[in-house]
Amino acid sequence: QQQVKQSPQSLIVQKGGISIINCAYENTAFDYFPWYQQFPGKGPALLIAIRPDVSEKKEGRFTISFNKSAKQFSLHIMDSQPGDSATYFCAASPGTYKYIFGTGTRLKVLA
Amino acid sequence: EAGVAQSPRYKIIEKRQSVAFWCNPISGHATLYWYQQILGQGPKLLIQFQNNGVVDDSQLPKDRFSAERLKGVDSTLKIQPAKLEDSAVYLCASSHGQGPPETQYFGPGTRLLVL
Repeated sequence: QQQVKQSPQSLIVQKGGISIINCAYENTAFDYFPWYQQFPGKGPALLIAIRPDVSEKKEGRFTISFNKSAKQFSLHIMDSQPGDSATYFCAASPGTYKYIFGTGTRLKVLA
Repeated sequence: EAGVAQSPRYKIIEKRQSVAFWCNPISGHATLYWYQQILGQGPKLLIQFQNNGVVDDSQLPKDRFSAERLKGVDSTLKIQPAKLEDSAVYLCASSHGQGPPETQYFGPGTRLLVL
């Protein structure tokens, strides 16, 4: 119930391509869904976040798509760049300060 | 604004030894979190403070882990005695504490290796 399932575990994309990372949850009490980006040796940093009252949120090349009925949400990185190579974590929060993180996706963008 | 500071960055200890980690949150942030991130996994919340009070420590192994937040600012996380499975990155994060949802700002972490 408290899990957030993330896939794929790793992803290789050509420069300029679209990177897609998916997450699924069970707990309908979750009402805030952030995505974090983590570079090696660094702490995670907020990339973009969404509330379930919207189906899509876009910030630059990063878009979150949210499907409330399916309890799924995904991160799309358009025009992927080598600098986007990092580990991406989805998370969910049940209306409290607490985050439940997914297991992470290691993205590598080939030049 | 200055980010979340953590020290040390790396620590290697023998099993059964003790270790302590320090965190200085972003100035003015009332909420402080300690996470454990095992290699290949997402961060797992160990303990959450609101000012100097504990809000959630349900996943803290209290037989060996302890944490405190002095005067509602800096915090220390201690492990005593350490086990091999404690090898992980320990992340500290902070947020404003003005009401969820809130962005959590993470420090660089302390990488612990228990031999």
